[in-house]
Amino acid sequence: KQEVTQIPAALSVPEGENLVLNCSFTDSAIYNLQWFRQDPGKGLTSLLLIQSSQREQTSGRLNASLDKSSGRSTLYIAASQPGDSATYLCAGTGYNKLIFGAGTRLAVHP
Amino acid sequence: ETGVTQTPRHLVMGMTNKKSLKCEQHLGHNAMYWYKQSAKKPLELMFVYSLEERVENNSVPSRFSPECPNSSHLFLHLHTLQPEDSALYLCASSQGTGRSNEQFFGPGTRLTVL
Repeated sequence: KQEVTQIPAALSVPEGENLVLNCSFTDSAIYNLQWFRQDPGKGLTSLLLIQSSQREQTSGRLNASLDKSSGRSTLYIAASQPGDSATYLCAGTGYNKLIFGAGTRLAVHP
Repeated sequence: ETGVTQTPRHLVMGMTNKKSLKCEQHLGHNAMYWYKQSAKKPLELMFVYSLEERVENNSVPSRFSPECPNSSHLFLHLHTLQPEDSALYLCASSQGTGRSNEQFFGPGTRLTVL
């Protein structure tokens, strides 16, 4: 069974810190890795998609890496801001589906 | 309208009601998906449609009935639901169903079953 695990489940940091969110997956059949942001009660916003042939992707203060050999992906957020507070979800693409982790709930306080 | 839209955004229904959730994508995609997000559980895939044909049914109870009349529209018909079906229902679309396709999500419908 394909599984995606995210650590930590929750994180609270002061504004300005650099932080790393972790995602691990058990099945090498997971092809791409997609990171999403979800605000409370809202839908998902795609942040970064790392294709199978890629090692990392960057968008602004966000950098995501993918190591398929170890089954890990990390999302690095630089100089965190209160507006970054949300739940961050990683999902691996299997055949016909995305397999989601449970998410990391991030709170950035001023 | 751009992206993926869902209506209604909030729905409260009794266990004997019949209602439908609607999803529309404006991205020219060929694949559409229904996901369920319950409290404190990872998102679960429910159904996948590719070119209006259902290609995956992830062991979903028959009280949930999907319909895809064309590649831009997806419905989820609900009848005789249970309180444990209360959740956020998310629709997504992608260019195709292959593993390399990025999925784009709508804002979701928050469903409460009384």
